[in-house]
Amino acid sequence: QAQLVQSGAEVKKPGASVKISCKASGFTFSRHFMHWVRQAPGQGPEWMAIIDPSGARTIYAQNFQGRVTVTRDTSTSSVYMELTSLRSDDTAIYYCAADNSQNDRAWWFDPWGQGTLVIVSS
Amino acid sequence: SSELTQDPAVSVALGQTVRITCQGDSLRSNYASWYHQKPGQAPVLVIYNKNNRPSGIPDRFSGSTSGNTASLTITGAQAEDESDYYCQCRSGDRWLFGGGTKLTVL
Repeated sequence: QAQLVQSGAEVKKPGASVKISCKASGFTFSRHFMHWVRQAPGQGPEWMAIIDPSGARTIYAQNFQGRVTVTRDTSTSSVYMELTSLRSDDTAIYYCAADNSQNDRAWWFDPWGQGTLVIVSS
Repeated sequence: SSELTQDPAVSVALGQTVRITCQGDSLRSNYASWYHQKPGQAPVLVIYNKNNRPSGIPDRFSGSTSGNTASLTITGAQAEDESDYYCQCRSGDRWLFGGGTKLTVL
């Protein structure tokens, strides 16, 4: 079955960077755009970024412009998200998810990774 | 603030029908997808492409849209449906999520 497995929890100090990995299996990774979404404690999901199947094009949410970089490696069916200049309010669970679309009217996220908790604390 | 607006909380009696709504301008041109999320778990897709269910999602879940409002209807709510529900839609080069609705099954 389609699955995304993410790297483990991280604890970082303010100002540091974090890089999370997400490995796909059970579906044709090379055909899918991939998203990153985060969820702060008690909050709803917040979309961060998308990368195209080739890895040549990315779109970042305005809130993260200049701090986030998403890359992918087709040879290992993996996608990565690096967030720099971490602040306490970056404490959240970070998810990768595969993009699906149809009819140029519908886009949905499936599957999702299990999530990676990032804690930013001094 | 989210550009997709959901009621924060909704309750339903066991076995009754409940509708969870999501409002936003992007819904006039694009379909919403819906997810449920239990504590400590990743979101799970329940409705996509207006009213399609992934395999494994019971047929008591259905989706609809009218104007700027998308709806998720649960017909005959079960105890296991108690969860947070989020709508999601694309708006240009942004992918939006609603703030979520906590569904309580009484």
